[in-house]
Amino acid sequence: DAKTTQPPSMDCAEGRAANLPCNHSTISGNEYVYWYRQIHSQGPQYIIHGLKNNETNEMASLIITEDRKSSTLILPHATLRDTAVYYCIVRVAGGNAGNMLTFGGGTRLMVKP
Amino acid sequence: GAVVSQHPSRVICKSGTSVKIECRSLDFQATTMFWYRQFPKQSLMLMATSNEGSKATYEQGVEKDKFLINHASLTLSTLTVTSAHPEDSSFYICSGLTITGELFFGEGSRLTVL
Repeated sequence: DAKTTQPPSMDCAEGRAANLPCNHSTISGNEYVYWYRQIHSQGPQYIIHGLKNNETNEMASLIITEDRKSSTLILPHATLRDTAVYYCIVRVAGGNAGNMLTFGGGTRLMVKP
Repeated sequence: GAVVSQHPSRVICKSGTSVKIECRSLDFQATTMFWYRQFPKQSLMLMATSNEGSKATYEQGVEKDKFLINHASLTLSTLTVTSAHPEDSSFYICSGLTITGELFFGEGSRLTVL
């Protein structure tokens, strides 16, 4: 799986949009970008994933650059409960190869009142 | 999303005893489950890959005789920490792979060895 690079920490004001960047310059053509988050003392929670098109769900939006070398996770209206470590991971979806997730350091997002 | 449940969520044991952690996929069948370990303020580290009906595949540096993994059914995998020592104290997390290739994680089990 390709390596990702994320800033170790970010702050965001409550109610504002949180934009979390991720670099994955060595991503392969068949690798998806996945985002998970981990709230303290819990297991990782799936947020969103995408291949090359921008994606949106009830939790967040994922913006992937045209060259697919970076992406941004957007939490449109951050709340205090969004304080967590956010992991950006690239992997091949489906099949047996590369189904495990290799976690980097992630970004510790602190949402402040 | 799919639900993966771990039990117990917290366990405290004496040094030298064995502890079993269960990981269940509640609403899907998981032919593959993964076990991770996470130390304080660190990221998750993959310990082993568990395939239903076959032996687990362990990552380098993980002792297979110490961390026994059994995946006897499509909805249950267990991790047994044998002869636990204080250095085994950690947060253990499992994940289950759906038929569509998505991964969902359990809530984690915090092991404290005294």
